[in-house]
Amino acid sequence: KAGVTQTPRYLIKTRGQQVTLSCSPISGHRSVSWYQQTPGQGLQFLFEYFSETQRNKGNFPGRFSGRQFSNSRSEMNVSTLELGDSALYLCASSVDSLGTQYFGPGTRLLVL
Amino acid sequence: QKEVEQDPGPLSVPEGAIVSLNCTYSNSAFQYFMWYRQYSRKGPELLMYTYSSGNKEDGRFTAQVDKSSKYISLFIRDSQPSDSATYLCATSNTGNQFYFGTGTSLTVIP
Repeated sequence: KAGVTQTPRYLIKTRGQQVTLSCSPISGHRSVSWYQQTPGQGLQFLFEYFSETQRNKGNFPGRFSGRQFSNSRSEMNVSTLELGDSALYLCASSVDSLGTQYFGPGTRLLVL
Repeated sequence: QKEVEQDPGPLSVPEGAIVSLNCTYSNSAFQYFMWYRQYSRKGPELLMYTYSSGNKEDGRFTAQVDKSSKYISLFIRDSQPSDSATYLCATSNTGNQFYFGTGTSLTVIP
């Protein structure tokens, strides 16, 4: 079974731009969560989607948004990029709300 | 106060040593406890998953949860160079939202 895939793997943007990251979960998984990972803060929860509905949201500004499609694929969007948004963005999928989370390799975003 | 606190290390041990990795958490409602291993430039992979208190063993790895002191541990026996990675603890009360420690960097020296 194929694992979680994320595209693109690397991205360089400048301040003020916006970016869209994509995540394809494991087949059959309906829950997709997004995390931001930085050396200082570690893994921080952004939001979780289940069956196209956002169920949980972390403590991030409204510039961070996401959505999930009917095939469970998910996208995350960050608008008006700031230097502090440079991080590894990870998505994780699970079968349902109590399922084990499987992580993708991440998208490394650098904001200049 | 962060939900989960983890000593970032780095931790360096000789091959064959017993490694002890620890985290503390703040919310007594947390019931699900996990350890993830993350190699450089990769996403975290699940190592151990436990529910409530007690021990769970899987090969050279043992996860321990003490809910009375809000303390979770991961022990690695007979450590190998391939165990060199960052280890992340995580916890959840609902299973929907997970809280992660910042990770402990481990190097096992041959």
